[in-house]
Amino acid sequence: EAQVTQNPRYLITVTGKKLTVTCSQNMNHEYMSWYRQDPGLGLRQIYYSMNVEVTDKGDVPEGYKVSRKEKRNFPLILESPSPNQTSLYFCASSLFRQGSGELFFGEGSRLTVL
Amino acid sequence: SQQGEEDPQALSIQEGENATMNCSYKTSINNLQWYRQNSGRGLVHLILIRSNEREKHSGRLRVTLDTSKKSSSLLITASRAADTASYFCATDYTNRDDKIIFGKGTRLHILP
Repeated sequence: EAQVTQNPRYLITVTGKKLTVTCSQNMNHEYMSWYRQDPGLGLRQIYYSMNVEVTDKGDVPEGYKVSRKEKRNFPLILESPSPNQTSLYFCASSLFRQGSGELFFGEGSRLTVL
Repeated sequence: SQQGEEDPQALSIQEGENATMNCSYKTSINNLQWYRQNSGRGLVHLILIRSNEREKHSGRLRVTLDTSKKSSSLLITASRAADTASYFCATDYTNRDDKIIFGKGTRLHILP
C-alpha cells in the first residue's frame, strides 16, 4: 500500500530536549516536505527536499533541521524544542516537484513542548 | 503573504444539500489543488485544476477556476455525513518554484 509513515504520532517533551520525527515513503517519490499546522494559520511549509541530499527552507524553517540521505526518508529534527513549536506536523511527498501533482500526506505527528 | 483565502471559514448544511466553498488567490498560478482533511488526520488530495482549465469534475465534486478573478470554487453535490471535514485549496504560484501555498481552510459540517 502506497503510504507516508510518520513517527511518533504523539509526543510530549520538554523544552530543550532534542527530538526527531521520522518520515518514510514507499512510493519512490523525489519530493518530500514538512508542514506544521496551527489553528488559524493553516499549513505552513517548514523544509522541503527535491531529491537525495537536496533540501531547502520553506516559510517557517527556524528551529528545525532536516536531512535527506536516502530517497525514502526525510526526518525532521528539533535540536532544542521550544513551546512555540507545539503543533501538528505533517510530512508529505510527491512524485516530482510539489506543485505539479498530488501530494501524499502522512497521518500527522502531534507534538507538545512543555 | 500569498496565502490563499477560503471562504467561508465554516459552513453547516443539511445532508443532501450542495456545499460550495471558494478560494481566492493573489497572483498568477500554474495550477490549483483542493484537499480534504478529516479531523486531525492527514490531508487527502481531491482534485487538481490547471490554469488553462475552467472546470473539472470528479464524482460528486466540481471545481471551477476563474483566473481573471483569481478564484476557484469547490462544489460538493448531494452532501453526505462523511463529507464533514476541512477543505483546503493549495495554489502553485508561477513565481514560487517548488512551493505551493495552502489556504486556511473551510470547515464543513454536514447535519443529519
